[in-house]
Amino acid sequence: ETGVTQSPTHLIKTRGQQVTLRCSSQSGHNTVSWYQQALGQGPQFIFQYYREEENGRGNFPPRFSGLQFPNYSSELNVNALELDDSALYLCASSKTGVQGTDTQYFGPGTRLTVL
Amino acid sequence: AQSVTQLDSHVSVSEGTPVLLRCNYSSSYSPSLFWYVQHPNKGLQLLLKYTSAATLVKGINGFEAEFKKSETSFHLTKPSAHMSDAAEYFCVVRPNQGGKLIFGQGTELSVKP
Repeated sequence: ETGVTQSPTHLIKTRGQQVTLRCSSQSGHNTVSWYQQALGQGPQFIFQYYREEENGRGNFPPRFSGLQFPNYSSELNVNALELDDSALYLCASSKTGVQGTDTQYFGPGTRLTVL
Repeated sequence: AQSVTQLDSHVSVSEGTPVLLRCNYSSSYSPSLFWYVQHPNKGLQLLLKYTSAATLVKGINGFEAEFKKSETSFHLTKPSAHMSDAAEYFCVVRPNQGGKLIFGQGTELSVKP
C-alpha cells in the first residue's frame, strides 16, 4: 500500500511569486486536506478537497487555492507569496463515506522558504 | 469553539522512566481525539485515536491515552521511555465528522540517557 507522497520536498521562492505544491493520496482514499505548519507551531487547517470540490476551509486568504484531480491527487497553489508563507506544508489523505471522514494520514511535507 | 491545550511545551525524562504528556480539549460535540508524533524534519505519524469506543486507547510503540470526559482530558502515557521517543507530540481534536483537525501547540519530548 503506497502512503501519502508530496513534491517537491523543499522549495525556495521570492516575495510576490506563485508556487504549486503537489500531493498524491494513499491508495483507497478519496479526500485530501492541506495544513500549514509554521516553525514551532502546530499545523493549521487550510482546506479540504472531496470529489474534486473544496469541502471546508480554514482562515486563509483566497490567494491560497487548490485542486483535486479524478485520481484524488491534489495541488495547493499560493499566489503573491509573502514572507509569512514560509512554512512546512502538509498534505493528509483520508477516506470519506456515509459516516464522515476517517482518520487522516500525513505526507512528509514540503518545506517552503520565501525570501 | 473547539480547541486543544497541551499543558507542557517541553517534557524531559530519563530513558526507562514513564512519560506523561498532558492534553485538555474543548468541544461542543462528542469529539474524536488523536495523538500524532513528528520526528525532526518529518511528517506526522498517527500514534492513536479515540472515537467514542473504549475510553482507554492503545496505540503504537507502547503509547496509550485515556479519554476522561469529566475532566475534558486526553493525556498520553508510556510506561518506559526509549531514546527513539524523542520528538514533538501533538494532541488533536476533530470536532465532528468533517475533516478539519485542530492541533495543539505541541509538546517536545526529550529523553536523556
